[in-house]
Amino acid sequence: GAVVSQHPSWVICKSGTSVKIECRSLDFQATTMFWYRQFPKQSLMLMATSNEGSKATYEQGVEKDKFLINHASLTLSTLTVTSAHPEDSSFYICSARSGSRYEQYFGPGTRLTVT
Amino acid sequence: LAKTTQPISMDSYEGQEVNITCSHNNIATNDYITWYQQFPSQGPRFIIQGYKTKVTNEVASLFIPADRKSSTLSLPRVSLSDTAVYYCLVAAGGVTGGGADGLTFGKGTHLIIQP
Repeated sequence: GAVVSQHPSWVICKSGTSVKIECRSLDFQATTMFWYRQFPKQSLMLMATSNEGSKATYEQGVEKDKFLINHASLTLSTLTVTSAHPEDSSFYICSARSGSRYEQYFGPGTRLTVT
Repeated sequence: LAKTTQPISMDSYEGQEVNITCSHNNIATNDYITWYQQFPSQGPRFIIQGYKTKVTNEVASLFIPADRKSSTLSLPRVSLSDTAVYYCLVAAGGVTGGGADGLTFGKGTHLIIQP
């Protein structure tokens, strides 16, 4: 149980285009989902927290107009990187948490490369 | 969130028991201690969580002294596939609620298992 999937697993896009990454909780309802970013050989950095049906909360330094987050259902959250630039190239990981448990279950991650 | 300190790296050999210690001097009363494992280009995987004393599951044990200012993750009889980065995190939460915040990851411990 507690499986979280992400799609796509990797994506290459051209500078200036937008990319959408999906995060799904497959066997539980996720009241809260989190988005992290991880650069090579670095730790995960929390980008934003999204609760189903409400606006996402962004961490300091994360541009909310650039990283659009939608959590329209209890099993799906999406992260859209708008007008992507090479410096947005990173490993994006989502996690999901149900309302009654503390553990966060992480997705497999999405490798974004912007050329 | 309480800050954690772990060794940057550790080496061991197959079949050995590995203990990774994490310091969290500023842990709060309602904080839990959680360990995650991460392989390259994958999302973190939950290993174990505890509040005090000792917790054991099918993959690891977690030892927490009475003052809770540190914790030790114990991996019995490691194999080559245990080579990964191990993160110790401290955050509020529990079975019945809390833990609504995203997780703050430190640098983690890069464990290398040799034949």
